[in-house]
Amino acid sequence: QVQLVQSGAEVKKPGASVKISCKASGYTFTSYYLHWVRQAPGQGLEWMGLINPSTDRTTYAQKFQGRITVTRDTSTSTMFLDLSSLRSEDTAVYYCARVSYYDFWPLMDVWGQGTTVTVSS
Amino acid sequence: DIQLTQSPSFLSASVGDRVTITCRASQGINSYLAWYQQKPLKAPRLLIYAASTLQSGVPSRFSGSESGTEFTLTISNLQPEDFATYYCQQLDSYPWTFGQGTKVDIK
Repeated sequence: QVQLVQSGAEVKKPGASVKISCKASGYTFTSYYLHWVRQAPGQGLEWMGLINPSTDRTTYAQKFQGRITVTRDTSTSTMFLDLSSLRSEDTAVYYCARVSYYDFWPLMDVWGQGTTVTVSS
Repeated sequence: DIQLTQSPSFLSASVGDRVTITCRASQGINSYLAWYQQKPLKAPRLLIYAASTLQSGVPSRFSGSESGTEFTLTISNLQPEDFATYYCQQLDSYPWTFGQGTKVDIK
């Protein structure tokens, strides 16, 4: 079945970097864009960025420019999120999500289980 | 960035009720709007895309509509499993943005 499986929880100190992964299975990895969305404790959803796994082209939210890098490894069907200069406000659950197009309409139809990142001194 | 304003932020309802959640966009988004349901400690689940198209497998008691820049999610005959938080999302232009969420609680 189609699924996205994310790496485990991380605890980092302020100023550090974190790299989390999202492994896709059950479909052709290069055929669907993949996105990152995060959710701080008790808060709403925040879109961070995306990658086209076929071309390696990325688009990031302005808020994260300079701190975010999204990459992929087509040999393992895995996407990665690298977030640097971590601060306490980056404490959140990070989700990856696949975007499908149905009749040209985009939809986030498959989500990973989430990875908790805690930034604390 | 396109802002999405959801209302209400919180509502209490009973099983069997009809519930309506509104999402207002700060500018036109060409029907590029989705609705998600999220339960505690779970990833969001897509309910509706293109403002009114029901995702496969979603019960027909969920429906979406639009009028200009105002979008509505309606749950008719609320079921126990529907108590959750609901988010709208615009997919018209980057950065894709979400509404702040509406928590539907048991009265």
